[in-house]
Amino acid sequence: NAGVTQTPKFRILKIGQSMTLQCTQDMNHNYMYWYRQDPGMGLKLIYYSVGAGITDKGEVPNGYNVSRSTTEDFPLRLELAAPSQTSVYFCASHPGGTGDTQYFGPGTRLTVL
Amino acid sequence: AQSVTQLGSHVSVSEGALVLLRCNYSSSVPPYLFWYVQYPNQGLQLLLKYTSAATLVKGINGFEAEFKKSETSFHLTKPSAHMSDAAEYFCAVSPYNQGGKLIFGQGTELSVKP
Repeated sequence: NAGVTQTPKFRILKIGQSMTLQCTQDMNHNYMYWYRQDPGMGLKLIYYSVGAGITDKGEVPNGYNVSRSTTEDFPLRLELAAPSQTSVYFCASHPGGTGDTQYFGPGTRLTVL
Repeated sequence: AQSVTQLGSHVSVSEGALVLLRCNYSSSVPPYLFWYVQYPNQGLQLLLKYTSAATLVKGINGFEAEFKKSETSFHLTKPSAHMSDAAEYFCAVSPYNQGGKLIFGQGTELSVKP
């Protein structure tokens, strides 16, 4: 099992550009999440999904969009990138059972200039 | 809304010394509690979790944590620090019936001096 994979590892965007962060898991988990990590702030939930076709907003969804067409994939779309979106983005998956562990990908480091 | 507070954004210990990383949560109902570790430029890895079984939870790499309901705490300890323990540690709470979502503390960076 590769677990949770994320691409790209690093990216520099100019203000106003758009991009999609890819996330794939091969554990057949129903639940998937996107977090952003900023220094001294811990991780904040952007969006999550409890299954294919179902997504919902987390704590900091503004400026982002997601889709979930398959169980495996959960891409995060940034439209009109802003410097405030400079962060490290983590995708995670979860089997869906009470008290189950979330499994994290290696992260994507995004800089918006 | 539930929250998690980690006391001390940076903790420094000597190699061989006790490691104590503090975590307090706010919840009227004991939630599920987790400690994750993040090594430089890597994702988060589970250290241990509390799911209402034993209050003393043992994890990987010699770490353990004790759930204390009366103090709403879930502090992480290790008797003897090793250089390889240098990393950032996150405490997180997963409230009941919220789709497995995690609410993270701010993180504590652990430095280990030789």
